[in-house]
Amino acid sequence: EAGVTQFPSHSVIEKGQTVTLRCDPISGHDNLYWYRRVMGKEIKFLLHFVKESKQDESGMPNNRFLAERTGGTYSTLKVQPAELEDSGVYFCASSPHEGTTNEKLFFGSGTQLSVL
Amino acid sequence: QKEVEQDPGPLSVPEGAIVSLNCTYSNSAFQYFMWYRQYSRKGPELLMYTYSSGNKEDGRFTAQVDKSSKYISLFIRDSQPSDSATYLCAMSAVRSSSASKIIFGSGTRLSIRP
Repeated sequence: EAGVTQFPSHSVIEKGQTVTLRCDPISGHDNLYWYRRVMGKEIKFLLHFVKESKQDESGMPNNRFLAERTGGTYSTLKVQPAELEDSGVYFCASSPHEGTTNEKLFFGSGTQLSVL
Repeated sequence: QKEVEQDPGPLSVPEGAIVSLNCTYSNSAFQYFMWYRQYSRKGPELLMYTYSSGNKEDGRFTAQVDKSSKYISLFIRDSQPSDSATYLCAMSAVRSSSASKIIFGSGTRLSIRP
C-alpha cells in the first residue's frame, strides 16, 4: 500500500512568487492534515480536512496560504505571494476515518520550501 | 514559554547503551502522549503512544508519562545504529481526530556510534 506522497520534495523560489504543494494521502483516508516546520522550530499544525471540508484551519498563518482538497482526495497548499519567512518543511499527514483517534497519523516525507 | 520543551541534542551514545529522551510540558490538559521517530529526509513515524500516566513497553522501547511532574520519557534499550534519528515527543488534549491538534516538541537528534 502506498504511503502519503508529497510533491515536490524540494522547491526553491524567489520572494513574491507562487508555489503550490501537493499531497496525496493514503487511499481511503478521510482525514488530511498539513503541518509546517521552520528552521530550528517544532512542527506546527496548519489545518485539517475531513474529506473535502476544512475542519480546522486555525493554524494557517495568514491569507497568503490557501489549501484545497478536491473531491476529498488529494490536497494542495498554495502560497501566494511567498515571503522569506515561509521557508521550511511542509508535511502532510493522513489518518483513516472521521472520529478515529488522532495518534494514527501517517506522514509524508515533506516538501522543503526555500524562499530566496 | 513553549507548551512542550525538548532538548534538541545532539545526543551521541555507543551501540548497546540505554538511551533516555525526555520532554516537559506546561499544559495540564494534555492526556495523550506520543513519540515519533524521524529519519533524515523522511516524515515523522509514530513509535509509541500512551494515555495519561504510566509506562508502556514495546520491544526495546519504553515510554513513561508522569503527569504530576509534566514529564515524559522514552527509553531505548540495547541501542542500535539504526536507531539514529530525530525523536519528537508530541501530545494532545483530546482524542478525537475531528478536534485534534497535536503539539510537537522540537525533537532530539540521536546518534548511535557503532
